[in-house]
Amino acid sequence: GQNIDQPTEMTATEGAIVQINCTYQTSGFNGLFWYQQHAGEAPTFLSYNVLDGLEEKGRFSSFLSRSKGYSYLLLKELQMKDSASYLCAVLAGSYQLTFGKGTKLSVIP
Amino acid sequence: IAGITQAPTSQILAAGRRMTLRCTQDMRHNAMYWYRQDLGLGLRLIHYSNTAGTTGKGEVPDGYSVSRANTDDFPLTLASAVPSQTSVYFCASSETKGHTDTQYFGPGTRLTVL
Repeated sequence: GQNIDQPTEMTATEGAIVQINCTYQTSGFNGLFWYQQHAGEAPTFLSYNVLDGLEEKGRFSSFLSRSKGYSYLLLKELQMKDSASYLCAVLAGSYQLTFGKGTKLSVIP
Repeated sequence: IAGITQAPTSQILAAGRRMTLRCTQDMRHNAMYWYRQDLGLGLRLIHYSNTAGTTGKGEVPDGYSVSRANTDDFPLTLASAVPSQTSVYFCASSETKGHTDTQYFGPGTRLTVL
């Protein structure tokens, strides 16, 4: 089985930087995805990491450490529209995605 | 516009009734998936299909069945709905069932079983 942990809720200020952590325990690791989900909407793809290190994509970056079973999503220059749930998902040996419960981020003025 | 469509958008259903949730994609993706999303539990895989003609069970398959007669369509059937199947159901697809393939999600179906 797999175990994925991420904080339930976070609050950050507009213009600031926020880091959302995800830890996982799995066998046969094949990559880690981050998805964004606004309330009442479908999840949308943000990033994919399979090698250790940082992947940067505009205001969003994602980091992976396979040896530590750890990833984080970094959001810079926060905007009000970034208020959403952020889902960490691990792709394991069976090639099925297992999702964490998500982190609800609230951006305040 | 390419993407995934789901129908209905929402449905209220009496317990014991049969219900089919529809999912269609026009991206010619080989793999398709059904998830349910419940508060506090996150997204959980119900069934998947690697390619037309094949299906497999996910984490929570009991009470659900699927078919994949062609590439585009992947309906999910509840043979006899129960209140615990009240949830938001998302269909997704990916080009292949491979380790680099991003899954793209449909808009979801909100189902309430009374």
